[in-house]
Amino acid sequence: AQTVTQSQPEMSVQEAETVTLSCTYDTSESDYYLFWYKQPPSRQMILVIRQEAYKQQNATENRFSVNFQKAAKSFSLKISDSQLGDAAMYFCAYRSINTGTASKLTFGTGTRLQVTL
Amino acid sequence: NAGVTQTPKFQVLKTGQSMTLQCAQDMNHNSMYWYRQDPGMGLRLIYYSASEGTTDKGEVPNGYNVSRLNKREFSLRLESAAPSQTSVYFCASTAQGGLARTQYFGPGTRLLVL
Repeated sequence: AQTVTQSQPEMSVQEAETVTLSCTYDTSESDYYLFWYKQPPSRQMILVIRQEAYKQQNATENRFSVNFQKAAKSFSLKISDSQLGDAAMYFCAYRSINTGTASKLTFGTGTRLQVTL
Repeated sequence: NAGVTQTPKFQVLKTGQSMTLQCAQDMNHNSMYWYRQDPGMGLRLIYYSASEGTTDKGEVPNGYNVSRLNKREFSLRLESAAPSQTSVYFCASTAQGGLARTQYFGPGTRLLVL
């Protein structure tokens, strides 16, 4: 079974600065998907960014980018120009490509990001 | 287009009571999921339905049952609630095919079992 580890329970960043959230995973599969979800105080789960393991290029969505190191099984999220609205819990998630018609996600335990003035 | 909706938003139960959490999606998605979120443990999959007419156990199915009523609706039932089922429950759905089959989540149901 796959596991996802987020070793930073809490992180803090100043507004306009850059922060990197870490995620590692364990799998024996060669192809899979990785995701970062944001959960603000409203508890709504919001997709931030996704990465297909077969793509060497790191995914980017505006101020959010990932550093995907397949050999190291590492998938970190970089938030540039941090804003107060970025304060939230961030979850890393793994999805096997071999789940047939289902798309079950395995989540990490989350990193709480605080953004200070 | 409401996406994924869940009812109720919040519920208090006494130990032994039963209840059904409702979930509906209007995105014509094939697959639907129920997760629970506990402090320090991330989200864990309870049950899922890959397509209408099918349901399967996830990581933590004990104490729960599900019904895929139709393509839109997927309910989660607690037959005899226990304090260990105090949690926040999320429903999610995903289309078949499509880029990375992204899961879309509902707003969650907070359940307190006394």
